[in-house]
Amino acid sequence: AQSVAQPEDQVNVAEGNPLTVKCTYSVSGNPYLFWYVQYPNRGLQFLLKYITGDNLVKGSYGFEAEFNKSQTSFHLKKPSALVSDSALYFCAVSRDDKIIFGKGTRLHILP
Amino acid sequence: KAGVTQTPRYLIKTRGQQVTLSCSPISGHRSVSWYQQTPGQGLQFLFEYFSETQRNKGNFPGRFSGRQFSNSRSEMNVSTLELGDSALYLCASSARTSGGAKDTQYFGPGTRLTVL
Repeated sequence: AQSVAQPEDQVNVAEGNPLTVKCTYSVSGNPYLFWYVQYPNRGLQFLLKYITGDNLVKGSYGFEAEFNKSQTSFHLKKPSALVSDSALYFCAVSRDDKIIFGKGTRLHILP
Repeated sequence: KAGVTQTPRYLIKTRGQQVTLSCSPISGHRSVSWYQQTPGQGLQFLFEYFSETQRNKGNFPGRFSGRQFSNSRSEMNVSTLELGDSALYLCASSARTSGGAKDTQYFGPGTRLTVL
């Protein structure tokens, strides 16, 4: 069975510092991995996805994620955090026509 | 292109009532999925419809049902509402052109249902 874990409920980062939001997954075969962001009172917005190829995926708003097959991880990163990045972030794994979302990580960027 | 729209945005119901939520996907998208989002359980998959047929179903009781129309618009119905059904219900559409597992889902703003 496939699963995805976001080990941190909340991450606090000072504005201007690099940020990382962690995601690990468990799936048989090759996974398709996604990151979505949710702002208050809004639906989820797509940030980026890994299907195949280059392990470093670049997405919207300066975010990127690195696929690490040996560690079964897909951490979301950004070199310099903005206060406007404060939101709820979801990692998702998809395989065999099913997608599973992590429980979400709340990111607080401190001014 | 217009995004995914959901109506109504907010609903207040009492236990035992039923409710119908509506979702209009992005033009050209034929797949619509529904999710329930709660603080404790996160995002839980309800079901997916493609070309008016239910393709996948999550682990929810039969009180939760849905349908899709020929124009790809979808409705979700919850009967005999319980307090625990209070949640944000999200709809997402996708094109399903590259295989479902690889598709990006585009979410609507959600319908916040409160059951009193």
